[in-house]
Amino acid sequence: EPEVTQTPSHQVTQMGQEVILRCVPISNHLYFYWYRQILGQKVEFLVSFYNNEISEKSEIFDDQFSVERPDGSNFTLKIRSTKLEDSAMYFCASSGVSGTGKYYEQYFGPGTRLTVT
Amino acid sequence: DAKTTQPPSMDCAEGRAANLPCNHSTISGNEYVYWYRQIHSQGPQYIIHGLKNNETNEMASLIITEDRKSSTLILPHATLRDTAVYYCIVRPWGGNNDMRFGAGTRLTVKP
Repeated sequence: EPEVTQTPSHQVTQMGQEVILRCVPISNHLYFYWYRQILGQKVEFLVSFYNNEISEKSEIFDDQFSVERPDGSNFTLKIRSTKLEDSAMYFCASSGVSGTGKYYEQYFGPGTRLTVT
Repeated sequence: DAKTTQPPSMDCAEGRAANLPCNHSTISGNEYVYWYRQIHSQGPQYIIHGLKNNETNEMASLIITEDRKSSTLILPHATLRDTAVYYCIVRPWGGNNDMRFGAGTRLTVKP
């Protein structure tokens, strides 16, 4: 069964450094998302991406964040200058569409644990 | 602005049915009810969704009241591996809309 994959599973970085989190969505999906979950808190939406552009973003997704689909398979989240409060699990998700518009549920990857020291 | 209300925790005996309630009294006509679960710190896992009819798949059943103001997720024969946080989410149909997760219900399946 197709699944969303994410690399790395754990990333440790120093405050102020840039990090890139990578995701490979399910191959025929068209909508891509990033969420984060700070330890012990709820899953929070960051950004959605469709047709090579951001379609929606939350107030969390400020100028320090950017997303890109550099090729036909990868979807990346970049944090330009990490802060301690960026430490969290980051989940990528994708959703597809069929001819009937039926398949709009989102499928999540296993996450990348980002630790900023 | 929470659109759903779920009990914070529930217990269920292994092998018995787990019935997880959700209130969504302000649901709009174009909003679907989605259920996801999160086992420990893994990525949320899609379970089922519905609009107004009851739905069943290999994982669970979803019962939506006629007025659509509440729903129940049913795991027919809970196992220890079903221990997780279960999220009920209402969301308009369409791929562009994010999932807004609340606190969910922590289901503990006990032997």
